[in-house]
Amino acid sequence: QVHLVESGGGVVQPGKSLRLSCAASGFSFSSYNMYWVRQAPGKGLEWVAVIWYDGGIKYYEDSVKGRFTISRDNSKDTLSLQMNSLRAEDTAIYYCVRDGASGSSGGMDVWGQGTTVTVSS
Amino acid sequence: DIVMTQSPDFLAVSLGERATINCKSSQNVFYPSNNKNYLAWLQQKPGQPPKLLLYWASTRDSGVPDRFSGSGSGTDFNLTISSLQPEDVAVYYCHQHYGFPITFGQGTKLEIK
Repeated sequence: QVHLVESGGGVVQPGKSLRLSCAASGFSFSSYNMYWVRQAPGKGLEWVAVIWYDGGIKYYEDSVKGRFTISRDNSKDTLSLQMNSLRAEDTAIYYCVRDGASGSSGGMDVWGQGTTVTVSS
Repeated sequence: DIVMTQSPDFLAVSLGERATINCKSSQNVFYPSNNKNYLAWLQQKPGQPPKLLLYWASTRDSGVPDRFSGSGSGTDFNLTISSLQPEDVAVYYCHQHYGFPITFGQGTKLEIK
């Protein structure tokens, strides 16, 4: 069964760093582009970043450019998000998401349960 | 950036009745080279992550009941639930993945009347 399990969330002070991880299982992780998508409390969905299946291409949402870094280790089926210089507005549930269009599907076809990041002093 | 606008923001429909949600994109999300609309619909129930319902605007994801259907092309899309069931209470989002940044509609909250 296809699974994505996020970890690494927590409470952190403004300006500090946090690293999120996502463990993938049940599919050929190295064949799929992967996303991070976040959802602030009571708000809608916001795309954060994407990384190509081989790690060769990465794109970021403007507000996180220069602060967040997406990466992957295909040998360990793991996706990561290094978040530096955190701000209160980064407070959200962070979801690890598979790009279905990399395979036989389309859209964002597999979602993790999410990990909560709270930025507060 | 491609702006996605859903309507309505809130919808109340009686059980067994039809529910329709509209999604408009500020730019065309149809890619002629593969004849696909890069538009998907997600369902999010309280306390759960979103779930993919439809992709390429009208293709149901595996296991999605056939009462859910998608239509439209280019910039104007609809999600229709033909006969509302209690388990369909959720927030529904459209999103485009034609280009980056990927953008979402603001969400439509669907409840039972």
